[in-house]
Amino acid sequence: DVKVTQSSRYLVKRTGEKVFLECVQDMDHENMFWYRQDPGLGLRLIYFSYDVKMKEKGDIPEGYSVSREKKERFSLILESASTNQTSMYLCASSQAKAPSTEAFFGQGTRLTVV
Amino acid sequence: EDKVVQSPLSLVVHEGDTVTLNCSYEVTNFRSLLWYKQEKKAPTFLFMLTSSGIEKKSGRLSSILDKKELFSILNITATQTGDSAIYLCAVEAGANNLFFGTGTRLTVIP
Repeated sequence: DVKVTQSSRYLVKRTGEKVFLECVQDMDHENMFWYRQDPGLGLRLIYFSYDVKMKEKGDIPEGYSVSREKKERFSLILESASTNQTSMYLCASSQAKAPSTEAFFGQGTRLTVV
Repeated sequence: EDKVVQSPLSLVVHEGDTVTLNCSYEVTNFRSLLWYKQEKKAPTFLFMLTSSGIEKKSGRLSSILDKKELFSILNITATQTGDSAIYLCAVEAGANNLFFGTGTRLTVIP
């Protein structure tokens, strides 16, 4: 049974804190993605990675960084959390870069920054 | 535990066929159900459904929600190769919680 696991379902952090969101996949996928979901805005891509130690900016990378030290793990980092980063964060992985490739999503992390 | 289940996981059809994708859910304090199409990176929004029995349509795509039986279907008629994608179902519940299914991969063969 394929799985993408995000480390926390719910997080509450204070403004200015450094926040780590972890994502692990057990499918040996090359590609991993971080999205955020906000009401009325749909899913927006923050960063993605096509290989270990490789990262590319998505549509809204400002205020975020990522780390891919191992193939199975892709971390999203908020260097200094702000209230406008309160959101639902979704991690996904897929086998290849091509369109229509099967992608698997984690269950999401609801982050609240106070 | 809140969950969203999509079926089938993958589907291969020929151009011109009609397909039906399924999404069932179990959540607390349901607010809405959303369908997305994912081709490359970020999935693109298709429909938001909040009321039972009201069909939403956009071209060859349509969707309907059944809040009593806790499911939604997405229909695509006269499929084209450009319809090949992952179709994601998500359910908004409670205080801005969003639960995604794993998606249905649709492949349309010429």
